[in-house]
Amino acid sequence: GAVVSQHPSWVICKSGTSVKIECRSLDFQATTMFWYRQFPKQSLMLMATSNEGSKATYEQGVEKDKFLINHASLTLSTLTVTSAHPEDSSFYICSARTSLSSGSFFGPGTRLTVT
Amino acid sequence: GDSVTQMEGPVTLSEEAFLTINCTYTATGYPSLFWYVQYPGEGLQLLLKATKADDKGSNKGFEATYRKETTSFHLEKGSVQVSDSAVYFCALNRYQGGSEKLVFGKGTKLTVNP
Repeated sequence: GAVVSQHPSWVICKSGTSVKIECRSLDFQATTMFWYRQFPKQSLMLMATSNEGSKATYEQGVEKDKFLINHASLTLSTLTVTSAHPEDSSFYICSARTSLSSGSFFGPGTRLTVT
Repeated sequence: GDSVTQMEGPVTLSEEAFLTINCTYTATGYPSLFWYVQYPGEGLQLLLKATKADDKGSNKGFEATYRKETTSFHLEKGSVQVSDSAVYFCALNRYQGGSEKLVFGKGTKLTVNP
């Protein structure tokens, strides 16, 4: 089946620094990728939708200048958390799909801890 | 707005017990409904889905029926195994701005003991 990887699987960074998370579709081309955030015991909250070669569409309440998303190729999307603060600590999950009918394939997630 | 409510866990069962995880939804129109499963250390995987009222999704012994009258999509399995231990997410899709987006419940952690 289709595989989506994320790197790193977990990261600890200091407050004020930036951290980049990669999402790759390993065996298919993803025209659309999604980034979610999950708090403990909470559901996945969609942060943004990115289509290859165009700007990401952010959900209401998500700061686009803080959470920079780049989808430069059909197999790679990156999420950069800029000037991270402890409240950005969370589990970030990406998903990817080729078309509306193909369904979404999820990565294993990245645990971010900001100290 | 659209939302999904599923029973809070954790749920702990013995092997071969009957499983039900309740899920209800609020949505405009007629969304498709999904159950995703997340095994430890892995990404979410689609378990089953139903696209219209009275449809029954099934996979790996799990079943769920799309009930429009009760806005529900409860997950059931007649005899669980230790390997079913995972977190289960109920979800619906909604269309907004020409794109399709998933709305998830909070997830229910299932532990099956031998």
